[in-house]
Amino acid sequence: GENVEQHPSTLSVQEGDSAVIKCTYSDSASNYFPWYKQELGKGPQLIIDIRSNVGEKKDQRIAVTLNKTAKHFSLHITETQPEDSAVYFCAAKTGSARQLTFGSGTQLTVLP
Amino acid sequence: DAGVIQSPRHEVTEMGQEVTLRCKPISGHDYLFWYRQTMMQGLELLVYFNNKAVMDDSGMPKDRFSAKMPNASFSTLKIQPSEPRDSAVYFCASMNGGGGNTGELFFGEGSRLTVL
Repeated sequence: GENVEQHPSTLSVQEGDSAVIKCTYSDSASNYFPWYKQELGKGPQLIIDIRSNVGEKKDQRIAVTLNKTAKHFSLHITETQPEDSAVYFCAAKTGSARQLTFGSGTQLTVLP
Repeated sequence: DAGVIQSPRHEVTEMGQEVTLRCKPISGHDYLFWYRQTMMQGLELLVYFNNKAVMDDSGMPKDRFSAKMPNASFSTLKIQPSEPRDSAVYFCASMNGGGGNTGELFFGEGSRLTVL
């Protein structure tokens, strides 16, 4: 089955700096790559996603890039703010499958 | 919409006791997922349903765990007997699997289980 690895497990940045979280996947048939944000005491919530026919997608301060050849994708957050502090999960889905395989999560802390 | 509703939010029990976690998915969603979150394993898929039928329960320890979805608006995850290693946060999520759908999962706020 699919295996998703995520790095780093923890990341601290100064407010206003950029943050980058990277994931690799194993199944070349995977075609959907969402990112979820989990705030303390809450369930994960989708923040951005990308499909395999697209190399990059942006939504305000958040962007995701996908390299299908290398089988990796990344989340980029620019101009970080304290409210960006949370756990971020990458995930992958293969073909017509309905279930997601999640990475292990990254605890992002934005220091004021 | 009220979102995915889970109960209880917190449960503390003793080893050997039965635990039942409950979930109400978003109305109209035809997929329901149970995930377990631990520090060591991240988010693990235990089981998921489509239109109330189990599609995949390969992630669920079947000797002590059971999951049911008796109707489109209710699901349970039962652990009997519970063990300390079952301590985790259990999330329920639902999804609209209709044509053209993005496949976004909507998670509940989780049930934190502590088995002493």
